[in-house]
Amino acid sequence: GQSLEQPSEVTAVEGAIVQINCTYQTSGFYGLSWYQQHDGGAPTFLSYNALDGLEETGRFSSFLSRSDSYGYLLLQELQMKDSASYFCAVTSGYSTLTFGKGTMLLVSP
Amino acid sequence: EAGVTQFPSHSVIEKGQTVTLRCDPISGHDNLYWYRRVMGKEIKFLLHFVKESKQDESGMPNNRFLAERTGGTYSTLKVQPAELEDSGVYFCASSPGPTRKKLFFGSGTQLSVL
Repeated sequence: GQSLEQPSEVTAVEGAIVQINCTYQTSGFYGLSWYQQHDGGAPTFLSYNALDGLEETGRFSSFLSRSDSYGYLLLQELQMKDSASYFCAVTSGYSTLTFGKGTMLLVSP
Repeated sequence: EAGVTQFPSHSVIEKGQTVTLRCDPISGHDNLYWYRRVMGKEIKFLLHFVKESKQDESGMPNNRFLAERTGGTYSTLKVQPAELEDSGVYFCASSPGPTRKKLFFGSGTQLSVL
């Protein structure tokens, strides 16, 4: 089976940098995705890593190390609107994503 | 372009009753997925349609859950009879083809079974 571990909660202040880690166990790994969900809203896709290294998209970056079964999401220049839940998800097999339990990010002024 | 829409947004029912959730995927998206999140836990896969066919229903909890996608457009998920442990947020997602990364999610249906 698959399992993912990520912290349940992270707090930070506006303007800071925060890193949300994700470790996974899976067979037939294809890639690691990150999704953001604001309270009561739809999870929205942020990034995807299939190869080792860092992918940057604006203030958000995502990193993957396949050999360590580890990835992280890096959020820079934090804003209040970044307060949300962040989910890592692994893809293995045909096309099914397996999600972690989510990390609630609280950004304070 | 309209996103994935789900109806109702909230449903409160009593144990033993029946509830039907509906999902309208993005137009043209052949792949439709149902997921569920119980409070504090992971977003858990339930099943995957490709057009009207069930590609993978390995995540369906038991035979009280029935999903359909007649005509390959919208989908329904029926829970009959509902139990307390069925409470949670039911998400629908779609994608144009089989994807290993990006799904388009709806805002979910919050189901409360009392």
